[in-house]
Amino acid sequence: DVVMTQSPLSLPVTPGEPASISCRSSQSLLRSNGYTSLDWYLQKPGQSPQLLIYLGSNRASGVPDRFSGSGSGTDFTLKISRVEAEDVGVYYCMQTVQTPYTFGQGTKLEIK
Amino acid sequence: EVQLVESGGGLVQPGGSLRLSCAASGFTFSSHWMHWVRQAPGKGLVWVSSINADGSNTYYADSVKGRFTISRDSAENTVYLQVNSLRAEDTAVYYCVLIGYDTSSFYWGQGTLVTVSS
Repeated sequence: DVVMTQSPLSLPVTPGEPASISCRSSQSLLRSNGYTSLDWYLQKPGQSPQLLIYLGSNRASGVPDRFSGSGSGTDFTLKISRVEAEDVGVYYCMQTVQTPYTFGQGTKLEIK
Repeated sequence: EVQLVESGGGLVQPGGSLRLSCAASGFTFSSHWMHWVRQAPGKGLVWVSSINADGSNTYYADSVKGRFTISRDSAENTVYLQVNSLRAEDTAVYYCVLIGYDTSSFYWGQGTLVTVSS
């Protein structure tokens, strides 16, 4: 199974400041078609997860441009350029390169 | 508008069974893989099962293999998860998920809670 490791697990951030979450996979997430099978989700309190970034760096529809995804192979990063209060919740990375699909442990972002 | 509406959860005794349903609308159901992901209370997300677009291939987490069965009905635009031989550790919110890279379609249902307890 592909193991996904996120860091940090807790992320206190001052509004307006940037934030960054790392996600590492135990195997390359690069598919033969050239796409990288790494997605980022945000689960706000009491809600279902919502997609932020798909295939490594593609922002989902309706996602503010302060969110960006980068990385390749086994190392990935989600960046928030300026954190807002509405960004609180748990962030998960997820690999879909092979089953079983696996998630990172989650990073809880809170506002200082 | 895409909608995924789960139902069928509830309180069940250990060893019991349930049939979870996910009614899908707002997209071409027969063209997309569908997935189930669960989340135990206060815990993270765990993939459970997937089914390909025409239902010919299914995939399961090791923890549920042999006990859970995923299926789909394209006439009803519904995906099912038959959950048997339930254990306390199966207690979770079960989400129905659409992941459609080709169509940039990504949606989660609101989830249905399965509680396994005597």
